[in-house]
Amino acid sequence: KNEVEQSPQNLTAQEGEFITINCSYSVGISALHWLQQHPGGGIVSLFMLSSGKKKHGRLIATINIQEKHSSLHITASHPRDSAVYICAVYRGDNNDMRFGAGTRLTVKP
Amino acid sequence: KAGVTQTPRYLIKTRGQQVTLSCSPISGHRSVSWYQQTPGQGLQFLFEYFSETQRNKGNFPGRFSGRQFSNSRSEMNVSTLELGDSALYLCASSPPTDTQYFGPGTRLTVL
Repeated sequence: KNEVEQSPQNLTAQEGEFITINCSYSVGISALHWLQQHPGGGIVSLFMLSSGKKKHGRLIATINIQEKHSSLHITASHPRDSAVYICAVYRGDNNDMRFGAGTRLTVKP
Repeated sequence: KAGVTQTPRYLIKTRGQQVTLSCSPISGHRSVSWYQQTPGQGLQFLFEYFSETQRNKGNFPGRFSGRQFSNSRSEMNVSTLELGDSALYLCASSPPTDTQYFGPGTRLTVL
């Protein structure tokens, strides 16, 4: 079993829909990271969080340390949100990271 | 501030050769991490350098090595290349206790 599990693997939505991507992990972590990767490979960091909730524009990330679970929400989705979203966890207080397999999101106009 | 830069962006090598990839972090960032991304394995952590010292290492064979210079620039070396080393190699830099900033990657193809 992978240390970091994401669901769903693929997600297709219509423009304007509310989207949720889930991440569960089985190891102790110091922080969790949500990344966005567009076609062509470039990775952008969306959030790094160790507790609670963070919001940036239409994106919201939450984490429940006790349940070892995090969610990434996208409100009012747009075709430009189409990308692969990757959950990564920091193990301990160093930069040893473990990655989920990613969720491929397609938002149709 | 300029972003993380990686050179070269694309590279083609043959089996048995060795390769060196370079990463220049954002000015002021002392931590540089390297990752490998393949369609089969996804993203995997290679190693992390901080102030010229390897601080952590992922589960890769000894053919993969790296170093960091006093100006925080980092290089990654892969010796005796295998077909399975074909991948996108990403580096990321970060200030202390903050999020990582990724470079565009070097796409290595081993023939």
